[in-house]
Amino acid sequence: DAGVIQSPRHEVTEMGQEVTLRCKPISGHNSLFWYRQTMMRGLELLIYFNNNVPIDDSGMPEDRFSAKMPNASFSTLKIQPSEPRDSAVYFCASSTGTAVTILYGYTFGSGTRLTVV
Amino acid sequence: AQSVTQLGSHVSVSEGALVLLRCNYSSSVPPYLFWYVQYPNQGLQLLLKYTSAATLVKGINGFEAEFKKSETSFHLTKPSAHMSDAAEYFCAVGRTGAGSYQLTFGKGTKLSVIP
Repeated sequence: DAGVIQSPRHEVTEMGQEVTLRCKPISGHNSLFWYRQTMMRGLELLIYFNNNVPIDDSGMPEDRFSAKMPNASFSTLKIQPSEPRDSAVYFCASSTGTAVTILYGYTFGSGTRLTVV
Repeated sequence: AQSVTQLGSHVSVSEGALVLLRCNYSSSVPPYLFWYVQYPNQGLQLLLKYTSAATLVKGINGFEAEFKKSETSFHLTKPSAHMSDAAEYFCAVGRTGAGSYQLTFGKGTKLSVIP
């Protein structure tokens, strides 16, 4: 298995531009998570999908952030417009199972390092 | 609400010395606890998990952690540090409820190994 695949690995964009981050979960995994990692705040959960449906988006910072999961094999995280404070590493993780077993199977992608200048 | 606190953002040990990384949890229910490791420019990898089957949990690369309910702790240890252990380590607690199952991470502890 190729694992969780994120693209791009690095993104540099100018303030005000739209940014789209992509994630392909492991085949068969029915849960998908987007996390943001910064020095100041550590790892924060942004949004959690189960069977392509958003379950918890309470971590999405503001309306500039949106996430979609149109099918079981693809998810996007979009920031529009981007701001310098959005600079961070964004991780996607997927898992399988039901209920508590979801916690046991987290697999992380390698992340996208976003720099907004 | 479940949360974890990692004591020490940076720990340095000599090669061959004991590694001890501290994690305390806060949970009103039996916790689901995890340790992850992150190498530079990589995602997080699971080291070990506490599933209530045993209080002493063995993980990969010679690491282990002991669940102590009385101390609300889940500290990570390794008897002898190796240069390849240099990385950042995250303690995490599983949050459950309202159909949501997600991990909440501590701030991380960066481990340096001195030759």
